[in-house]
Amino acid sequence: NAGVMQNPRHLVRRRGQEARLRCSPMKGHSHVYWYRQLPEEGLKFMVYLQKENIIDESGMPKERFSAEFPKEGPSILRIQQVVRGDSAAYFCASSLTTGYGETQYFGPGTRLLVL
Amino acid sequence: LAKTTQPISMDSYEGQEVNITCSHNNIATNDYITWYQQFPSQGPRFIIQGYKTKVTNEVASLFIPADRKSSTLSLPRVSLSDTAVYYCLVVGNDMRFGAGTRLTVKP
Repeated sequence: NAGVMQNPRHLVRRRGQEARLRCSPMKGHSHVYWYRQLPEEGLKFMVYLQKENIIDESGMPKERFSAEFPKEGPSILRIQQVVRGDSAAYFCASSLTTGYGETQYFGPGTRLLVL
Repeated sequence: LAKTTQPISMDSYEGQEVNITCSHNNIATNDYITWYQQFPSQGPRFIIQGYKTKVTNEVASLFIPADRKSSTLSLPRVSLSDTAVYYCLVVGNDMRFGAGTRLTVKP
């Protein structure tokens, strides 16, 4: 059973370009979470999605960032008009269900570098 | 939202037992305590989870006192490969990561 997959693993963009990060959850998991991690810091929650629904986007910047988890295909985190401050590692996690005590399984991350 | 406090860093030597304590004074009745391990350039990896008393698996043990306001992750006989950041989380309806404890195991 494959784990959580993310691609690309590394992404370089120039300021003003768009970045698209993809996440395929573990088989059978319908809950996806996105986190951002700056160097030497802990992970910061961004958004929680179920199939076709955004459940909690309280950690997502109001502008330039969006996320989706369509009925078919991977979850996408999209960053428009990237700036240098967007450079970070972006991790996706998935879970089978949600609620108290539910374990999230993480992907290897996408490292975004904005030049 | 339960906040956790854990040491920023710890050093140990190969073969020793390492105990990392986490404080979570505002833990709610339904919250679980979960620990993750993260190596450089990798995503966090689930280690262990518990609600109360003691939980043990092939990797670690987790001790939780009756008041559940703290927990201790115990790693038996650490090796160099256990050098990583360890995160303590209180998991309710959401999950928030703190800064973690950077464990360095020396030869």
